[in-house]
Amino acid sequence: GAGVSQSPSNKVTEKGKDVELRCDPISGHTALYWYRQSLGQGLEFLIYFQGNSAPDKSGLPSDRFSAERTGGSVSTLTIQRTQQEDSAVYLCASGSIGSFYEQYFGPGTRLTVT
Amino acid sequence: DQQVKQNSPSLSVQEGRISILNCDYTNSMFDYFLWYKKYPAEGPTFLISISSIKDKNEDGRFTVFLNKSAKHLSLHIVPSQPGDSAVYFCAARLPNNTDKLIFGTGTRLQVFP
Repeated sequence: GAGVSQSPSNKVTEKGKDVELRCDPISGHTALYWYRQSLGQGLEFLIYFQGNSAPDKSGLPSDRFSAERTGGSVSTLTIQRTQQEDSAVYLCASGSIGSFYEQYFGPGTRLTVT
Repeated sequence: DQQVKQNSPSLSVQEGRISILNCDYTNSMFDYFLWYKKYPAEGPTFLISISSIKDKNEDGRFTVFLNKSAKHLSLHIVPSQPGDSAVYFCAARLPNNTDKLIFGTGTRLQVFP
């Protein structure tokens, strides 16, 4: 069966531009998470979706970051007016509610802001 | 502040020997601890977990030990195989309703023949 997919796999953008990162979770998974990994750092939690709602947005680093999820499936993470410190690998994971360790990760999107 | 710490960025072990990866944490409220394995260009994959009420969990070649008094856990891989070469992340969960995980910075394990 298909796993979590993310697109694009790589994105290079100029400082100040907006970017959209997409996550296609495993079909039927109600929980969806966004993490990011900056150079030399661990995975940093950004936002959690349960269905289409986001009960935990505590990890979003600034108001330039937003995310949405539609139809309980695809999620988009948007970064407005990108800054160089936004450069990181952005990882999406999906899972079933209550099976927290069964977070299936996608391959990530490597974002480079020049 | 880093609630989950992996102080060794890398570890090199000979094939057949034991690999020991360490992790320290600061929050005594964590109720589950997990290890994830990550190959280049792939997302992390779940490896093994342990509940905070236990001190050991074993799954084949992988064993996780938890020392709550020291706020320390370790992953033992024995015998180590070249295919185990990857980055290993320690993670911990707070018992709330979001199941978000707090990850360490990872340890790169290299198993050489």
